[in-house]
Amino acid sequence: LAKTTQPISMDSYEGQEVNITCSHNNIATNDYITWYQQFPSQGPRFIIQGYKTKVTNEVASLFIPADRKSSTLSLPRVSLSDTAVYYCLVGGQGGSTLGRLYFGRGTQLTVWP
Amino acid sequence: SQTIHQWPATLVQPVGSPLSLECTVEGTSNPNLYWYRQAAGRGLQLLFYSVGIGQISSEVPQNLSASRPQDRQFILSSKKLLLSDSGFYLCAWSVLAGVGNQPQHFGDGTRLSIL
Repeated sequence: LAKTTQPISMDSYEGQEVNITCSHNNIATNDYITWYQQFPSQGPRFIIQGYKTKVTNEVASLFIPADRKSSTLSLPRVSLSDTAVYYCLVGGQGGSTLGRLYFGRGTQLTVWP
Repeated sequence: SQTIHQWPATLVQPVGSPLSLECTVEGTSNPNLYWYRQAAGRGLQLLFYSVGIGQISSEVPQNLSASRPQDRQFILSSKKLLLSDSGFYLCAWSVLAGVGNQPQHFGDGTRLSIL
């Protein structure tokens, strides 16, 4: 199961774009990359998922280079409410990898006014 | 739409007492179900997962057990709680898919304190 490496913490100001990079050197061919957001005393919330290149939804973009050994979550124009812990996970569905998503310690993003 | 419910939200139990945490999912059938524990300031640790009624897989040996008596019900139990069982317990579900990785959707968690 591929493990991930993220910065422990990041700081930003309101209105700025934030990019959080995750390393996953041992990612397997059938692994997807998924990002979650967690606020204190709440369960993680799914943000975005991708396999390769770029994925964009209404809240974020996910950039994945061709070798897939890293990924970058991009949050445009952050606000104070984006202060949270962000987790990067890699995993696949089916077979022995079912359910075994590894949540690391995540990245604590703090947005300042 | 699908929803997941966990209860209670907070629980304070003495050492040695039993435990039962319940999780139910609505709006979907045959979900994969998961129990996680999160220690303060740490990431999530997968405890159990289930792909169907009566099918439970354990990730780590521990003082806890899980059961799935119905398709959309997942229960976390203990016969005798230890101090080390304190933490934030999260239930999650995902759709079983043949291709790709389906994201997991989490409940609001139970804060368990052992005294």
